Amino acid sequence: KAGVTQTPRYLIKTRGQQVTLSCSPISGHRSVSWYQQTPGQGLQFLFEYFSETQRNKGNFPGRFSGRQFSNSRSEMNVSTLELGDSALYLCASSLDPQETQYFGPGTRLLVL
Amino acid sequence: DAKTTQPPSMDCAEGRAANLPCNHSTISGNEYVYWYRQIHSQGPQYIIHGLKNNETNEMASLIITEDRKSSTLILPHATLRDTAVYYCIVRVGGYGQNFVFGPGTRLSVLP
Repeated sequence: KAGVTQTPRYLIKTRGQQVTLSCSPISGHRSVSWYQQTPGQGLQFLFEYFSETQRNKGNFPGRFSGRQFSNSRSEMNVSTLELGDSALYLCASSLDPQETQYFGPGTRLLVL
Repeated sequence: DAKTTQPPSMDCAEGRAANLPCNHSTISGNEYVYWYRQIHSQGPQYIIHGLKNNETNEMASLIITEDRKSSTLILPHATLRDTAVYYCIVRVGGYGQNFVFGPGTRLSVLP
């Protein structure tokens, strides 16, 4: 079975722009979670989607948003980018929210 | 905040067993212990999880103390490719129960 895929793998943006990241879960998985990883803050939970509904949200500003489609694929969007948004963004999928999460390779975002 | 405490770093000789400890003294009865590892900024890789019984799979063994307040991940024959940051996480399975990652243990396997 193919693992979690994330696109793009690398991205460079400038301050004030917006960005959309994509995540395709493992086939059959219906839950998708997003995490941000920075050297200073480590791995932090952003939000979780299940059956196209946001089920849980971390402590991030409203500039961070996401959605899930009927095929369980998910996107996250960051608007009005700031330098501090430079990070590795990780997506994880699971059969449902109660099951083990499997992570994708991440998207590395650099904001200049 | 993470509910686990791990040593920041450990060394292990190649070919020897690596024993990574984790304290989770406030764990509740329905919380599982999960272990992940992250190799050089790749996505975290699931290793193993358990509730109260010891568990073993092709990657590692998980030993949970009887009072469940601590656990040990054992890599039986460490190789250089096991060099990574290892995260121990406690989590109730269910809606709204996301994984909370602490700083983990940086394991260096030395030749």
